[in-house]
Order: sequence, then structure tokens, then C-alpha cells
Amino acid sequence: ILNVEQSPQSLHVQEGDSTNFTCSFPSSNFYALHWYRWETAKSPEALFVMTLNGDEKKKGRISATLNTKEGYSYLYIKGSQPEDSATYLCAFIITGNQFYFGTGTSLTVIP
Amino acid sequence: GAGVSQSPSNKVTEKGKDVELRCDPISGHTALYWYRQSLGQGLEFLIYFQGNSAPDKSGLPSDRFSAERTGGSVSTLTIQRTQQEDSAVYLCASSLRGVGGGANTGELFFGEGSRLTVL
Repeated sequence: ILNVEQSPQSLHVQEGDSTNFTCSFPSSNFYALHWYRWETAKSPEALFVMTLNGDEKKKGRISATLNTKEGYSYLYIKGSQPEDSATYLCAFIITGNQFYFGTGTSLTVIP
Repeated sequence: GAGVSQSPSNKVTEKGKDVELRCDPISGHTALYWYRQSLGQGLEFLIYFQGNSAPDKSGLPSDRFSAERTGGSVSTLTIQRTQQEDSAVYLCASSLRGVGGGANTGELFFGEGSRLTVL
């Protein structure tokens, strides 16, 4: 079982604040890294699929970076809004069929 | 429907009973996964189906758990003689591309899950 760690486990921020959290994974045998957002009472939805060292992806106020050599990815949220409140999951992939998920970062944005 | 559909959304059962959870993936998706999330834990891989290949059952926690996928579409996860530790949210996900000699970087599309409570 591969260890994928996410930190912090939970986070409370004020509306308008920017925030970031980390996904750490083994640096060997990397193939891809995914970020998912899981809102309460909904299904997880993909945010980013990242495959190359140095990848930077952006979707609106959310962006992510990837460092495969040192085994980490950062997710950034600029100007947090209440609708950003969710659990953010990362998944590390080394083969075509095994997604190793972290335990997630629970974000609460306080209006 | 357009998304992954799971049923039932909630299931309460007594210890020792059998339960079946159903997943209807997105049409045309060849890969199908089952995961579960127990309270306070991350997503735990259970089983993976890819086309007509033999499923990867390496994540099934015991022989009380089994799954099948009929006609390359609908999948059923069966838990026999349920125990309290089986209580969790069971998530199904499908993906457009599977292994097929290359790695799958395609995103997973999840259903809303089946919440199982074993009393």
C-alpha cells in the first residue's frame, strides 16, 4: 500500500482569504496525479489531471502545481468563497488501474 | 442518465444480513472502480474492472465481499454476512480509458455513493 499524505487535515478560512494545501506521494514510479473536490452530499469531481514534472494547472481561482522529483503537489485557492467549502482529495497513480487516494483536506470557508 | 448512478443511496441492515449495492456507469466507459470510505478514513480501493479482462480484486477486504460486472456495464457489489465494520460509504467510479497496455490518466467520474450502516 502506497502512502499518500495530505495536509492539513482540515482548514477554516475567512471568505476572501487565499489558501493552499499539500499532497505528498512517493517520488518513484510516478505516472499521474489527480485532484478531486468532494462537496457534502455530492460525488467527487475531478479538478486537475497532472502528468508532467513542473505542471501547473489553473481553473478559475484554483490552481495546482506538481513536483514529481520530490513527490508533492500543491493546490491553491485564491480569494476563497463559501462555495469552495469541500473536501479536496488527491490521487496518486503508478499504473493504469490503481489510484491511491489521500485522506483529504476539509476546507471550510467562513462568510 | 449522464452520470454514474448508484443505488441504494442509503442502506441500513442488521449484522449478518447480505447486501447488494448497484452501480450504473457512464455509457461507453470501459473502466469501473469500487471504493469505500469508512468514518475518518481515506478512500479505500476495493475492486477494478476493465473491459473483458479479469477484475483486479486485490482491495477486497475479505471473502465476504464480491463484485461482478455484467455485459461490461452495470456492476453489483455484494457483501455477505455483514459486520459492523462494513459500515461505510461505498463509491463507484467509471473512466473512459482503461489499462489496455498503457496507464490510465483519465479522470474518474464518481457516483454519489451508497451509505451502508450495519447495526
